Amino acid sequence: DAGVTQSPTHLIKTRGQQVTLRCSPKSGHDTVSWYQQALGQGPQFIFQYYEEEERQRGNFPDRFSGHQFPNYSSELNVNALLLGDSALYLCASSQGVANEKLFFGSGTQLSVL
Amino acid sequence: GENVEQHPSTLSVQEGDSAVIKCTYSDSASNYFPWYKQELGKGPQLIIDIRSNVGEKKDQRIAVTLNKTAKHFSLHITETQPEDSAVYFCAARLYNTDKLIFGTGTRLQVFP
Repeated sequence: DAGVTQSPTHLIKTRGQQVTLRCSPKSGHDTVSWYQQALGQGPQFIFQYYEEEERQRGNFPDRFSGHQFPNYSSELNVNALLLGDSALYLCASSQGVANEKLFFGSGTQLSVL
Repeated sequence: GENVEQHPSTLSVQEGDSAVIKCTYSDSASNYFPWYKQELGKGPQLIIDIRSNVGEKKDQRIAVTLNKTAKHFSLHITETQPEDSAVYFCAARLYNTDKLIFGTGTRLQVFP
């Protein structure tokens, strides 16, 4: 079992650009959640996808959007990048939407210059 | 908004000693409390979790205790080993939304 896989591992963008991050959930999991982790902080919830729909959302602007595909994989898109978007973006998968026993990927380190 | 406070931010112990990390949550209806371990360059890994109807849970050298009245819960690691060195995060699940709120983390260093 490969667990949760994320790509790319690192990414460098400039302000104003757009970025797409990808996530494949652990086998058997149907729910994907995305988190932003700033340096020295705990993960902050962005949104959760289940049955190809955004089910819940944290306090993030509309510049952050996502998608879930029929095979349960997911993408996170961020438009009009700001310097403050620099962070580790974590994908977590679970079985069901109750946010129990989340499995996290190793993340995508995004640097915005 | 709802938050989870975590203390201490850093903790250094000698190998074999015990380590305790404490968290306080604000939503009195929170009903699920996981603990995650994050090693350098990796994502958080679930190490133990507890539901609000249980006061204590143990798994080998790791235990978690929950005090619902005081709204705090703690992680206890006994007989620490150098491989326990990592950043530990607590989290609380909000009752009405099921969202997980994470603490700010504790960097644990275990010296041989």
